[in-house]
Amino acid sequence: GAGVSQSPSNKVTEKGKDVELRCDPISGHTALYWYRQSLGQGLEFLIYFQGNSAPDKSGLPSDRFSAERTGGSVSTLTIQRTQQEDSAVYLCASSLAQGRTDTQYFGPGTRLTVL
Amino acid sequence: GDSVTQMEGPVTLSEEAFLTINCTYTATGYPSLFWYVQYPGEGLQLLLKATKADDKGSNKGFEATYRKETTSFHLEKGSVQVSDSAVYFCALSRSYIPTFGRGTSLIVHP
Repeated sequence: GAGVSQSPSNKVTEKGKDVELRCDPISGHTALYWYRQSLGQGLEFLIYFQGNSAPDKSGLPSDRFSAERTGGSVSTLTIQRTQQEDSAVYLCASSLAQGRTDTQYFGPGTRLTVL
Repeated sequence: GDSVTQMEGPVTLSEEAFLTINCTYTATGYPSLFWYVQYPGEGLQLLLKATKADDKGSNKGFEATYRKETTSFHLEKGSVQVSDSAVYFCALSRSYIPTFGRGTSLIVHP
């Protein structure tokens, strides 16, 4: 079946502009995650959605970052007034929400470059 | 808080060499442990996992054993191939949000 898809694959923007990144999870996966991957820094957790529950936003680095998930499926990560330090690969993952044994399924990522 | 420490890369090997990538963790309770692999230009994908102490995860010739006494989950493969060149991430999970290591790049030369 179809895996997790993300769009765009690459995004180049100017400092101060807003960007929207999209994630389509695997059908039937109730959990959705956003991560940021910076060079040599591993994966930084940003936000977690589970069903209709309030999202866990504990990883968002500033109030310029926000995300929503519509209808329990597609999610959009928005970065307002982008800064050069926001340049990174943004990864989305989905899962069946099985707790500590859960396997995450990742999309290919969106590479964001802020000039 | 929880943490995962991996050996720094890159690890450079010749084809058919033996591979070990070290991973140790800090966590309370009984986490599950994972190895994910990221091939160039792709997202991460699960390589193997173990959910309790002394379990061995294995896949595609890779193995790792959950050692609670040494809080380790080292990744091994007896004979690497050029196609194994990728970045390998160790991770742990105690609930819904996993903790990842920084990743170890593996480069295999023909």
